[in-house]
Amino acid sequence: DAGVIQSPRHEVTEMGQEVTLRCKPISGHDYLFWYRQTMMRGLELLIYFNNNVPIDDSGMPEDRFSAKMPNASFSTLKIQPSEPRDSAVYFCASSSAGAGANVLTFGAGSRLTVL
Amino acid sequence: AQSVAQPEDQVNVAEGNPLTVKCTYSVSGNPYLFWYVQYPNRGLQFLLKYITGDNLVKGSYGFEAEFNKSQTSFHLKKPSALVSDSALYFCAVRDGGGGSNYKLTFGKGTLLTVNP
Repeated sequence: DAGVIQSPRHEVTEMGQEVTLRCKPISGHDYLFWYRQTMMRGLELLIYFNNNVPIDDSGMPEDRFSAKMPNASFSTLKIQPSEPRDSAVYFCASSSAGAGANVLTFGAGSRLTVL
Repeated sequence: AQSVAQPEDQVNVAEGNPLTVKCTYSVSGNPYLFWYVQYPNRGLQFLLKYITGDNLVKGSYGFEAEFNKSQTSFHLKKPSALVSDSALYFCAVRDGGGGSNYKLTFGKGTLLTVNP
């Protein structure tokens, strides 16, 4: 397996633009997590899915953020409109169910810069 | 609520010396505890976990961690550090009594530097 695949790896955009980050989890994994990493706040859980259903989105900062998982092999995190404070590295991670549910496999991350 | 504290932003050790990266946690139920490592420009990688059983857990690359319930700690250790161990280390916790809650909370991270 190629692991968790995220795209784009780097995104530079201007304030107000829409940003879409994409993630392909490991085949067979039941859980998908979106995290955001910044120097100030560390690693924050934004949302996680189980079997394509959002379970906990309490970490989504505001209505500008939305996440979808239309099928078991694809998820998106959308920011509309983007703001400079959204600049961060966004990680997608997946895991299998049961005791392994927290052995996360992370993607390489998408580094977002909003000017 | 669940939380993790890593009291040291940075740890410096000489190659060949033992290393310890500290972690304390807070959960209302039984703790599920984890260590992850992050190398520059990479995602986090799983090192080891404690769910139940022996308090001393062995993981990848010669790392181990000791669960101490009375001190609510889960310190990461290695008997002999390598320069290649230099990276950012994250402790994480989940409330094991939370039923279907799979929310994993990470600490702020500790930057380990092993000097040749």
